[in-house]
Amino acid sequence: GENVEQHPSTLSVQEGDSAVIKCTYSDSASNYFPWYKQELGKRPQLIIDIRSNVGEKKDQRIAVTLNKTAKHFSLHITETQPEDSAVYFCAASKPASMFSGGYNKLIFGAGTRLAVHP
Amino acid sequence: NAGVTQTPKFQVLKTGQSMTLQCAQDMNHEYMSWYRQDPGMGLRLIHYSVGAGITDQGEVPNGYNVSRSTTEDFPLRLLSAAPSQTSVYFCASSSGVPLGGYTFGSGTRLTVV
Repeated sequence: GENVEQHPSTLSVQEGDSAVIKCTYSDSASNYFPWYKQELGKRPQLIIDIRSNVGEKKDQRIAVTLNKTAKHFSLHITETQPEDSAVYFCAASKPASMFSGGYNKLIFGAGTRLAVHP
Repeated sequence: NAGVTQTPKFQVLKTGQSMTLQCAQDMNHEYMSWYRQDPGMGLRLIHYSVGAGITDQGEVPNGYNVSRSTTEDFPLRLLSAAPSQTSVYFCASSSGVPLGGYTFGSGTRLTVV
């Protein structure tokens, strides 16, 4: 099955610096790659996603890049702020089964704890 | 529109007890999933459903059962609780159109003693 590896497990940056989190996936059939942010004690929330027909996507201070050949994708956060401090999860998915229709079974990485220091 | 609602928020069980974690969504989403979250291990998929009457196993299904009799509800049953099942459980749903776009519930923190 799909395996998603995420690095680093912890990341500490100064406010205003950039942060980069990298993920690799094992299944070349995966076609959807979301990123979730989870603040302490809260639920994961989708912050950005990318599909396999796109190489890069940007939304204000966050961007995601995808390299299908190398099977890796990355989250880039620029001009970091203290409120960016959280755990970030990458995920990869592909159609789950013959019964799944449009459903993609979502497999997550282990997470990166980002700390932004003022 | 409440989104994804999970109950209870907290639960303590004794080893060997059974219980059901409830999950309901009011967004008419076809796709629903259960994840468990353990420190350093991310979110691991337990079971998922692609519509009423259709369920399948995820990465870590042992010790858990699910059923999907309606579009709205997707309960997770722990058959005989074990300390290894101490975790935070999240239910999530998606319309699948466009692909992805999962909405998570607020979670259930389960402790098995």
